[in-house]
Amino acid sequence: DGGITQSPKYLFRKEGQNVTLSCEQNLNHDAMYWYRQDPGQGLRLIYYSQIVNDFQKGDIAEGYSVSREKKESFPLTVTSAQKNPTAFYLCASSIVGTSGTYEQYFGPGTRLTVT
Amino acid sequence: GQQVMQIPQYQHVQEGEDFTTYCNSSTTLSNIQWYKQRPGGHPVFLIQLVKSGEVKKQKRLTFQFGEAKKNSSLHITATQTTDVGTYFCAAPMSFQGAQKLVFGQGTRLTINP
Repeated sequence: DGGITQSPKYLFRKEGQNVTLSCEQNLNHDAMYWYRQDPGQGLRLIYYSQIVNDFQKGDIAEGYSVSREKKESFPLTVTSAQKNPTAFYLCASSIVGTSGTYEQYFGPGTRLTVT
Repeated sequence: GQQVMQIPQYQHVQEGEDFTTYCNSSTTLSNIQWYKQRPGGHPVFLIQLVKSGEVKKQKRLTFQFGEAKKNSSLHITATQTTDVGTYFCAAPMSFQGAQKLVFGQGTRLTINP
C-alpha cells in the first residue's frame, strides 16, 4: 500500500524546545516538500528536496531545518528560533521530470501546538 | 514574490446551487493544478491543465484554463454536501533555478443541506 506517512498526527511541545516531524514515503518519488498551513490560509513552502543529500529553502525556511539522507525520508525540525511554530505541517512528494511539474501527493499532516 | 491569486476566499451555498472559484496570475503559466482539502484532511490532487483554453470535466466539476494561460477556474454544478472543503489552485514558478509549486490561498466551500 503506497503512500506518505507523517507522525505523529498531533504534537504538543513547550516553547524553547526543538521538535522533529517525521515524513516517510514509499512511492519512490525523488522530490519531497514541507509546507506549513495556518488556519484559513494556503500552503507555504518551507523546504524542498529533489534528490538525496540536497535540499533548498522555500519561502519561510527561517527557524526550520531538514535533512535528506534517504530517498524515503525527509524529516523537518522546528527549532526554538521559529517564532510562531503552532501550525499544521504537511509533507508531500512527487516525481521529478523534464517535461514540467507533476502532481504532489500529501501526507495526512502533523498538527503542532507549542505553548 | 510570485503569487497565484485565488477568489473568493469563502463561499457558502445551498445544496444544489453551483459554485465557482477563480485563480489568476500576472505571468503566463506552463500549467495549473487543482487540489481539494476536506475539513481536517490533507490536499488531494484533482487535475492538471496544460493547454491554452483547455476544458476538462470530472462528473459535476468543470476545470478551465484561460486562453492566455494566466487564469483558471473550477466550477461545480449542483453542489452536494460531499463537495465541502477547500479548493486550491497551484502553479509551477521558477525559484532559485528550480521549479516549485505555488499555491493559491484557497476557496473554502461550505454547504447548507
